[in-house]
Amino acid sequence: GAGVSQSPRYKVAKRGQDVALRCDPISGHVSLFWYQQALGQGPEFLTYFQNEAQLDKSGLPSDRFFAERPEGSVSTLKIQRTQQEDSAVYLCASSLVAGQDYGYTFGSGTRLTVV
Amino acid sequence: AQSVSQHNHHVILSEAASLELGCNYSYGGTVNLFWYVQYPGQHLQLLLKYFSGDPLVKGIKGFEAEFIKSKFSFNLRKPSVQWSDTAEYFCAVNRVIKFYFGSGTKLNVKP
Repeated sequence: GAGVSQSPRYKVAKRGQDVALRCDPISGHVSLFWYQQALGQGPEFLTYFQNEAQLDKSGLPSDRFFAERPEGSVSTLKIQRTQQEDSAVYLCASSLVAGQDYGYTFGSGTRLTVV
Repeated sequence: AQSVSQHNHHVILSEAASLELGCNYSYGGTVNLFWYVQYPGQHLQLLLKYFSGDPLVKGIKGFEAEFIKSKFSFNLRKPSVQWSDTAEYFCAVNRVIKFYFGSGTKLNVKP
């Protein structure tokens, strides 16, 4: 597609529920990133893929967070046993090649609310 | 701690007023600097970026930013804002691969 597509746009989860957030990057983009944006804050790095390889997951806040990109295209961010502090907008970004000289395209995000 | 700081959380201006949004970073070494804009309900969009060379960078929609290395600053400016500039603005540093964002400045331009 023309841009990075994320679904769902909005997700309300009961505390303790598992959720899965999907990211469709721009076709052919090798690099894929997940960011978490809490209310009133800027996005914070969660994890990074190059093709199907997860090269950096240092930003994942706990072992309840898990991301995958099995075929090097679509990525899923899974949060197990959601907690209220997980409420945030989850942003996905993709880039043709990793590196600051290349443009990154962000998706519109998934707004997760844990009640 | 290393960080990106945006001094103004909320700015209200009238149309045609001049805009300057402050951004300071505390990362050492070589950094690449960006300003992103997020219009209501839309995704983050790149306004401008600085890698090297002329420290005065021009971006889209009449925005510009000046890199002052000695002050670790990268302030965003626009001489005359329009109502359509109402949005949230994020300063960001890119080191190697990751972006580090400031907390954002919400700009409200009154018609």
